[in-house]
Amino acid sequence: DADVTQTPRNRITKTGKRIMLECSQTKGHDRMYWYRQDPGLGLRLIYYSFDVKDINKGEISDGYSVSRQAQAKFSLSLESAIPNQTALYFCATSERPDTDTQYFGPGTRLTVL
Amino acid sequence: RKEVEQDPGPFNVPEGATVAFNCTYSNSASQSFFWYRQDCRKEPKLLMSVYSSGNEDGRFTAQLNRASQYISLLIRDSKLSDSATYLCVVGGGYQKVTFGTGTKLQVIP
Repeated sequence: DADVTQTPRNRITKTGKRIMLECSQTKGHDRMYWYRQDPGLGLRLIYYSFDVKDINKGEISDGYSVSRQAQAKFSLSLESAIPNQTALYFCATSERPDTDTQYFGPGTRLTVL
Repeated sequence: RKEVEQDPGPFNVPEGATVAFNCTYSNSASQSFFWYRQDCRKEPKLLMSVYSSGNEDGRFTAQLNRASQYISLLIRDSKLSDSATYLCVVGGGYQKVTFGTGTKLQVIP
């Protein structure tokens, strides 16, 4: 079984809809991250969490919110989806911030019409 | 200037060739450096960390030049399976990790 899983893997939705992307991990890591990837822009950090009680904004948090329900679960919500949120979304975990490997989930391809 | 810059490529090389990628970073206080590999529509996976003394893993060699603020990745004896996008990743401090946009490699039979 994969260590980091994401659901759904693909989603098509309409402008204005609320969407939740879910991430679960079995690695036992405290740190979890949400990124989006767009062609030519690379991976950009949306939110990150050091533990259940610690949530931090990344560089592009506007229009998104997150919930850390447990050490193993970190959800990303789009309260009112807009077309420029069409992207590939990745969840990742790490044991320590920037001196250790980040382990990525398989990604969610989101299309907002 | 972008924090982490890479030539997007594509680099088209024949099997067996040697190819090198560079990545420049703007923050001189950066502390950790990595190369990730990303296959089309897949998640990034760590290829190797980059240490000050340089490091090698089979056909792959990574080097760090702090004075000029760049890291490099050398791939020897390229295989078709090396075709992918290679992401440069730089850690600049507490919880700050920046990804480059990637360099695409296509190994041709």
